[in-house]
Amino acid sequence: EADIYQTPRYLVIGTGKKITLECSQTMGHDKMYWYQQDPGMELHLIHYSYGVNSTEKGDLSSESTVSRIRTEHFPLTLESARPSHTSQYLCASNRGNSQYFGPGTRLLVL
Amino acid sequence: DAKTTQPNSMESNEEEPVHLPCNHSTISGTDYIHWYRQLPSQGPEYVIHGLTSNVNNRMASLAIAEDRKSSTLILHRATLRDAAVYYCILAPLIQGAQKLVFGQGTRLTINP
Repeated sequence: EADIYQTPRYLVIGTGKKITLECSQTMGHDKMYWYQQDPGMELHLIHYSYGVNSTEKGDLSSESTVSRIRTEHFPLTLESARPSHTSQYLCASNRGNSQYFGPGTRLLVL
Repeated sequence: DAKTTQPNSMESNEEEPVHLPCNHSTISGTDYIHWYRQLPSQGPEYVIHGLTSNVNNRMASLAIAEDRKSSTLILHRATLRDAAVYYCILAPLIQGAQKLVFGQGTRLTINP
């Protein structure tokens, strides 16, 4: 059973606020990912990391940034939230050929 | 990234087998065939993957055509809990990482 956690699960916030979405995994996986999914739509890869101090942009352009200072932790930050950032954000990690996904954070920016 | 084609939706009955097709005519030699599913209000869940040979695990079986241009995910005995969107994804493993490209998937409905 995979152990990957995301907090908060739900977040309602006003425009212009800085937010950080947390993602942690206890499996020691080097590779981690962030996906964005609008309701009823496809998932899109926005960031990924090969390991500590490695971050790469994904296929979908995003105004968010990520950091990877520790293996187990891969937070995503929005410096100034806007209503267009309203979406679900899913974190994942892998070793080998299967990715394990967290439960997601549903973000609503008013 | 190589693309896959799946039916938008399928319907089956509980306790019957389900065959979910996927076409990937432009697959490259290094692409693995991955299947994930997403239950309502949850993150995706790994189901199975393969490269050339058919694969079985506790969740499902994956049948891969000899030319690798298509594959079929087989749920041997569907339950209500199997109702989900099923994604067929091609991705190579580069430096141990996979950049999964999710399409629309197949929405599977299971009737009691």
